[in-house]
Amino acid sequence: AQSVAQPEDQVNVAEGNPLTVKCTYSVSGNPYLFWYVQYPNRGLQFLLKYITGDNLVKGSYGFEAEFNKSQTSFHLKKPSALVSDSALYFCAVRDRRVYKLSFGAGTTVTVRA
Amino acid sequence: NAGVMQNPRHLVRRRGQEARLRCSPMKGHSHVYWYRQLPEEGLKFMVYLQKENIIDESGMPKERFSAEFPKEGPSILRIQQVVRGDSAAYFCASSPTDGNTEAFFGQGTRLTVV
Repeated sequence: AQSVAQPEDQVNVAEGNPLTVKCTYSVSGNPYLFWYVQYPNRGLQFLLKYITGDNLVKGSYGFEAEFNKSQTSFHLKKPSALVSDSALYFCAVRDRRVYKLSFGAGTTVTVRA
Repeated sequence: NAGVMQNPRHLVRRRGQEARLRCSPMKGHSHVYWYRQLPEEGLKFMVYLQKENIIDESGMPKERFSAEFPKEGPSILRIQQVVRGDSAAYFCASSPTDGNTEAFFGQGTRLTVV
């Protein structure tokens, strides 16, 4: 079985401040981890992924995430948030042996000017 | 290379009617997934298909829902005798055989049952 937990429903930050969106996962084998972003009435856009190698992964729009195997976490970070980063963020995991993605409940990020 | 195409974008059905949602995967992608997003909720996995095969339908309701991905043409998610609780956004995603590549999502079909 595989699952994802995003412990925060909402994250609010001021523009220019660091942004962190938390994600922990559970998977029986080795994980593939993903972050997606969803804007209102739109589909999901891929941000970044961890497959193997460097634990720090850099993605689109200045986002990065760190894979921590001991803590089973994959937190999303951005050093300086923009108002345009306001959206719904989803963490997802899949076991390397299967193709099915399991998503967290999502975290709504609001960046205030 | 066009992205994942879903149609229609919006679909209104009366209770008891059938809803047919279509998904054309990205070129070269042989894996298709359907997810449902209820208001204020995350994405719930429904079904995973390859051409002419249902691989995992563990998230599909036992009744009224079915999915196919024929040899030719788009993947279809069919909901028979729709009820108000079926109102949701339905997203399709596709991925290539290469397991390292992320899944790409369509814009979704928003089903409203009146």
